[in-house]
Amino acid sequence: DAGVTQSPTHLIKTRGQQVTLRCSPKSGHDTVSWYQQALGQGPQFIFQYYEEEERQRGNFPDRFSGHQFPNYSSELNVNALLLGDSALYLCASSLVNRMYEQYFGPGTRLTVT
Amino acid sequence: AQTVTQSQPEMSVQEAETVTLSCTYDTSENNYYLFWYKQPPSRQMILVIRQEAYKQQNATENRFSVNFQKAAKSFSLKISDSQLGDTAMYFCASRISNTGNQFYFGTGTSLTVIP
Repeated sequence: DAGVTQSPTHLIKTRGQQVTLRCSPKSGHDTVSWYQQALGQGPQFIFQYYEEEERQRGNFPDRFSGHQFPNYSSELNVNALLLGDSALYLCASSLVNRMYEQYFGPGTRLTVT
Repeated sequence: AQTVTQSQPEMSVQEAETVTLSCTYDTSENNYYLFWYKQPPSRQMILVIRQEAYKQQNATENRFSVNFQKAAKSFSLKISDSQLGDTAMYFCASRISNTGNQFYFGTGTSLTVIP
């Protein structure tokens, strides 16, 4: 049973560029949430996708956008990268009717220079 | 919004001993879940234990147990018979049951188990 997978593992981008991070949910899961974890901090909720739509959004600017595909996989896009966007980006998946069971992926480490 | 506070940035414990990690939270809701997650150096966040707020009995999972004090809004994690593999960051988190989908995390406690 495959768990949550994310790609790439690491990424280095230059300020102003755009980046796309990818996530495949745990087998059978239909809901994907994205979190940003800055160094030394706890994860902060970015948004959640279900049935290919954004269900809820945290306090992040519109530069952060996402997408969910029919196979439930998801992408996180960040435009006009800032130095402050450097963080570990975590994807978590769950079933919509069991939201209290959230499984995390290993994350993508994004460094903006 | 909910806030979760972990006031112990770092802790250490001797192998085989017991350690307690503290967490307090702030919510006006009655129905919510509380969690402890472990994040080892490999970065993958792993669920340690979960507590439903409506349950008075404290949750236990093998060597891990919680002390849930609803009135005090306190949710501490006790690790018994600490093992070297318990070395990790531990995050306390909350989720409102019927309105929110997001988890709120504390800033974490770095636990080191000393051989």
